[in-house]
Amino acid sequence: ETGVTQTPRHLVMGMTNKKSLKCEQHLGHNAMYWYKQSAKKPLELMFVYNFKEQTENNSVPSRFSPECPNSSHLFLHLHTLQPEDSALYLCASAGSYNEQFFGPGTRLTVL
Amino acid sequence: LAKTTQPISMDSYEGQEVNITCSHNNIATNDYITWYQQFPSQGPRFIIQGYKTKVTNEVASLFIPADRKSSTLSLPRVSLSDTAVYYCLVGENTGRRALTFGSGTRLQVQP
Repeated sequence: ETGVTQTPRHLVMGMTNKKSLKCEQHLGHNAMYWYKQSAKKPLELMFVYNFKEQTENNSVPSRFSPECPNSSHLFLHLHTLQPEDSALYLCASAGSYNEQFFGPGTRLTVL
Repeated sequence: LAKTTQPISMDSYEGQEVNITCSHNNIATNDYITWYQQFPSQGPRFIIQGYKTKVTNEVASLFIPADRKSSTLSLPRVSLSDTAVYYCLVGENTGRRALTFGSGTRLQVQP
């Protein structure tokens, strides 16, 4: 248990669906991240939030829309995804020394 | 951000000490070195972080030479459960910028 939770753990959606991934951290951190990890590939950083403000967006398609209402919660809204978006989506929060604590991930399958 | 180079894979046997070396020739003065461990379908787990010389915790040791252009993660007496991918990351530890994960080193521990 890392103090970072993610829901749902598994999600299957069609290309026309709208769904949201949720991440919550109980560590008092001020930085939160979304990563994507496709099969047998390195983690790809998607978004970075510091003190609720988005500070990095690594050229992520607009069909992925992040939301950070407060320092403890982070959402990833999904809309009209493609099959190649199927992956493990990981949320992390970072402490004062940038050590990142990861959630268990959401395994997303786009049909 | 400093680029890191690690071996793609390593093999070991239970009970042996494993040393994984990471090269980071253009490490900056303010950069720290952080190592993570990742099991399949899980988020990476923070192992250890250091700036110079030697750092030890209950899981591993981190050796950093004086020029800081490389670092070595040492895992004492590995077991089958240490089979995982190990990532070396280099960057500021302030939390203002996320660190970039490379391909990591896939460690396979045999009985």
